[in-house]
Amino acid sequence: AQKVTQAQTEISVVEKEDVTLDCVYETRDTTYYLFWYKQPPSGELVFLIRRNSFDEQNEISGRYSWNFQKSTSSFNFTITASQVVDSAVYFCALSEASAGGTSYGKLTFGQGTILTVHP
Amino acid sequence: NAGVTQTPKFQVLKTGQSMTLQCAQDMNHEYMSWYRQDPGMGLRLIHYSVGAGITDQGEVPNGYNVSRSTTEDFPLRLLSAAPSQTSVYFCASSYSMWGLSTNEKLFFGSGTQLSVL
Repeated sequence: AQKVTQAQTEISVVEKEDVTLDCVYETRDTTYYLFWYKQPPSGELVFLIRRNSFDEQNEISGRYSWNFQKSTSSFNFTITASQVVDSAVYFCALSEASAGGTSYGKLTFGQGTILTVHP
Repeated sequence: NAGVTQTPKFQVLKTGQSMTLQCAQDMNHEYMSWYRQDPGMGLRLIHYSVGAGITDQGEVPNGYNVSRSTTEDFPLRLLSAAPSQTSVYFCASSYSMWGLSTNEKLFFGSGTQLSVL
């Protein structure tokens, strides 16, 4: 069975600090999809990134970057120069897929990491 | 497009009452699902549907029923509410089949906060 672990329950930083949110996953499939979602205090779930298991390139989007390492089954998320608006709960999630890559989009979520950025 | 619409946003029930959480999407998505969010446990899949007339159980289906009579709607029914069902419920939808060369993802509704007393 697939599993996602976000060992950091809560992280507190001061504005402008860099912060890394850890995500470790378990799956027996060779094809799968990894996601990060953000849940701000308003409660909605905001999609941040999707990565498939064959694409180990790191990705950078503004202050956000993601490090995918299949060797350690990790998909970590770094926020550079954090801002108060980054305060939210962040979820890592996994969707297994068939050998051809097809998936019905059933996601297994980690427990979430609460990030608080203080001014 | 409105996306995924959930109603109501808040609901308080007494133990034993029944109710239906509504979910509708206007993106012609075949896949729809319900999750519940509890502190420290992330989101867990309750039920899902890959098309009209087809539903299946997720990780935590007990106490919940679903049906899918149309592509647009996927209601979640609590037949006899229990305090353990106090949670935030999210409905989500996507195209039915994801592929490596595409960028499908789950679209979530804004959630329903349910309290069972």
